[in-house]
Amino acid sequence: SQQGEEDPQALSIQEGENATMNCSYKTSINNLQWYRQNSGRGLVHLILIRSNEREKHSGRLRVTLDTSKKSSSLLITASRAADTASYFCATRDNYGQNFVFGPGTRLSVLP
Amino acid sequence: ETGVTQSPTHLIKTRGQQVTLRCSSQSGHNTVSWYQQALGQGPQFIFQYYREEENGRGNFPPRFSGLQFPNYSSELNVNALELDDSALYLCASMTQGARDEQFFGPGTRLTVL
Repeated sequence: SQQGEEDPQALSIQEGENATMNCSYKTSINNLQWYRQNSGRGLVHLILIRSNEREKHSGRLRVTLDTSKKSSSLLITASRAADTASYFCATRDNYGQNFVFGPGTRLSVLP
Repeated sequence: ETGVTQSPTHLIKTRGQQVTLRCSSQSGHNTVSWYQQALGQGPQFIFQYYREEENGRGNFPPRFSGLQFPNYSSELNVNALELDDSALYLCASMTQGARDEQFFGPGTRLTVL
């Protein structure tokens, strides 16, 4: 079963608006990562946040992590049509060698 | 720096056949992981190889097997193909003990008829 669950499953916004996606997970983690995937191609790493961090920024991306609620959010500010993609959170626990991905949020940014 | 490459890009097989997918890791990376991604789903971890040894395995049957070579390239072999094996197969490489960031290849789209 997948550890991460993104919410919402799909999101449609206008260019210039902000997009917020949420991720919940079940077990203790070492870190949580967000990836982007354009239309059935390979995934691109966006940002990593460690379990002892609460917030990270990278360009127009802002990620928060609440380990007490086992949840994370990804905020994309001032969205562009090129941000249209599926976004996945992935967790790596303290014991495993593998990354566990959620089912993803499909973001559509309309021009 | 060369990125992760995969071959072939598309493949069509029939049920019961065997398939081999190939992945070349990014230069300097010693770890490769394979994922299966069904349409509309997130990637599912198949297994990981580190220094030519299997280093972790997901919930996939033994007919999914792999190899990692001294140059850190890798193969995924699937025997006795089933219709449900139709998916995008993704390879990702990284350096163990480094930033934990995985670099993904473009994937191989496998269709089983």
